[in-house]
Amino acid sequence: GAVVSQHPSRVICKSGTSVKIECRSLDFQATTMFWYRQFPKKSLMLMATSNEGSKATYEQGVEKDKFLINHASLTLSTLTVTSAHPEDSSFYICSARQGAANEKLFFGSGTQLSVL
Amino acid sequence: GESVGLHLPTLSVQEGDNSIINCAYSNSASDYFIWYKQESGKGPQFIIDIRSNMDKRQGQRVTVLLNKTVKHLSLQIAATQPGDSAVYFCAENMDQFYFGTGTSLTVIP
Repeated sequence: GAVVSQHPSRVICKSGTSVKIECRSLDFQATTMFWYRQFPKKSLMLMATSNEGSKATYEQGVEKDKFLINHASLTLSTLTVTSAHPEDSSFYICSARQGAANEKLFFGSGTQLSVL
Repeated sequence: GESVGLHLPTLSVQEGDNSIINCAYSNSASDYFIWYKQESGKGPQFIIDIRSNMDKRQGQRVTVLLNKTVKHLSLQIAATQPGDSAVYFCAENMDQFYFGTGTSLTVIP
């Protein structure tokens, strides 16, 4: 299957700093990428949908200025957690879709963010 | 809003037995469903998918059943192995994919 690479896999940062997470589709062009957040023993919560070259669409309750998403190319999307605080600590997962809305998603390996 | 839910949060099975994980969905217009497996600290891994024009699909040791009448989806794992221990999510396509709560499968050696 298609490969989605997510980096870094783990990051620990001080409160107030910003953290950037990268998501790359390695062997296909991703027209759409999604960012999810997951708390321990909970399901994946969709944060935003990004399409290459356009602004991301955020789910209700997700702060656009806190979670900046950039989808500059068909193979790269980034999520920047700005001015991170301990409550932003979580497991963040990206996924990518190659074609139409009814095609399967391929997931990155996730990023564990810990804000001290 | 629409929801995708699972009947049981945990499931324990003996190694070698068959496992059945269930999922209820509420959007009758959904036409595509996927089962994912997630191991601790990792991203979800695609297992099998099914479209609404089918009621059964088989993969390697896995079978997905779709009952559109009662909006129910199930994942059957044959001859469950210790490596199958993970959390299993069903996902329903509504332009974006929304995930159910998940079922934690534990395989007892």
